[in-house]
Amino acid sequence: GAVVSQHPSWVICKSGTSVKIECRSLDFQATTMFWYRQFPKQSLMLMATSNEGSKATYEQGVEKDKFLINHASLTLSTLTVTSAHPEDSSFYICSADMGGPDTQYFGPGTRLTVL
Amino acid sequence: AQSVTQLDSHVSVSEGTPVLLRCNYSSSYSPSLFWYVQHPNKGLQLLLKYTSAATLVKGINGFEAEFKKSETSFHLTKPSAHMSDAAEYFCVVSDPYNNNDMRFGAGTRLTVKP
Repeated sequence: GAVVSQHPSWVICKSGTSVKIECRSLDFQATTMFWYRQFPKQSLMLMATSNEGSKATYEQGVEKDKFLINHASLTLSTLTVTSAHPEDSSFYICSADMGGPDTQYFGPGTRLTVL
Repeated sequence: AQSVTQLDSHVSVSEGTPVLLRCNYSSSYSPSLFWYVQHPNKGLQLLLKYTSAATLVKGINGFEAEFKKSETSFHLTKPSAHMSDAAEYFCVVSDPYNNNDMRFGAGTRLTVKP
């Protein structure tokens, strides 16, 4: 089956530093990858959609200069939280799409804690 | 724009009794609908999905859901709850014409009492 991994699974950082989260499709090529954020006891909110080789499309209210997304290959997308602050602490989940109908697979998530 | 509404933020049942988690959708076209489960500190697991085939969809772990266009509903059911079913459940609608853009409901927390 299709597997999506995320690294790291959890990270703790100091306020003001930047953190990079990787999302990889392990056994398929992902034409599109999605990044979601989930605050405690809340639902997943789509942050951005990225297609390989092009700029990401951000949802309204998501700062593109703060959440940098790079989708350099068909198997890897990265999310960099720049100048992280405690309010950025959240569970970040990526998903990868194979390109067919309803073929989106989710990663296990990365828990970010900003001190 | 498409969206889903999960009508109950929390459902509590006794072990061995039926489970009903309610979801209504809004979409201007025939949607794809999903139910995902998330156990504490774990990733999302797909329970089942509806993609315009049979309206009664059977999923894993004894769950099933019925797509009712007239009621714009996609409720999740299970005949007999198990302790291991305690988790957060998300109803999701997907736009197959827009990069499979998925929109999540607010979630329903299922508690199973012994």
